[in-house]
Amino acid sequence: AQSVTQLDSQVPVFEEAPVELRCNYSSSVSVYLFWYVQYPNQGLQLLLKYLSGSTLVKGINGFEAEFNKSQTSFHLRKPSVHISDTAEYFCAVIPQGGSEKLVFGKGTKLTVNP
Amino acid sequence: NAGVTQTPKFQVLKTGQSMTLQCAQDMNHEYMSWYRQDPGMGLRLIHYSVGAGITDQGEVPNGYNVSRSTTEDFPLRLLSAAPSQTSVYFCASSYGVASGSTDTQYFGPGTRLTVL
Repeated sequence: AQSVTQLDSQVPVFEEAPVELRCNYSSSVSVYLFWYVQYPNQGLQLLLKYLSGSTLVKGINGFEAEFNKSQTSFHLRKPSVHISDTAEYFCAVIPQGGSEKLVFGKGTKLTVNP
Repeated sequence: NAGVTQTPKFQVLKTGQSMTLQCAQDMNHEYMSWYRQDPGMGLRLIHYSVGAGITDQGEVPNGYNVSRSTTEDFPLRLLSAAPSQTSVYFCASSYGVASGSTDTQYFGPGTRLTVL
């Protein structure tokens, strides 16, 4: 079975500061990795995903994530955040060659302060 | 395309009442699923379907039923509501059917359910 650990439940930062949201996963097989974002009172939308190839993945709104197989991590980064990035961010995995079932982490609430 | 739609947006039930949460998608997606979101718990899979007529249980299926008679619709039924089912419910869909699909899941806006 797969599991996802998001190491920080809340991350407060000031506007224009860099941010890193941490995600570690556990799996006995190779996985595909995803980051989803949930703005207040909305559903989730895909930010980026890692399937194969380059370990640095670029997503929407200036976010990027780096897959590190040896550390089983998929941390999300943005060099300069905006107030509008305030949202909850979810890391998720699907096993390769397995089921359709996404396994989510518990989420990290990013709050960007002026 | 409307994408994934859910109704109602809000619902208050009394313990023991039943209701159906509706979910529809117009993208011809084969895979559909229901999640519940609770504070500090992330999203947990309730039931999912890989096509019309095929459903299966997720992580937290107790107290919920589903059916999939068409590709477009995937309703979630609460048979006898309990306060523990107070949550936000999300429906999602994607193209992928084959194992290990890499397709993006598209989420509906959610239904906020309170059971008194």
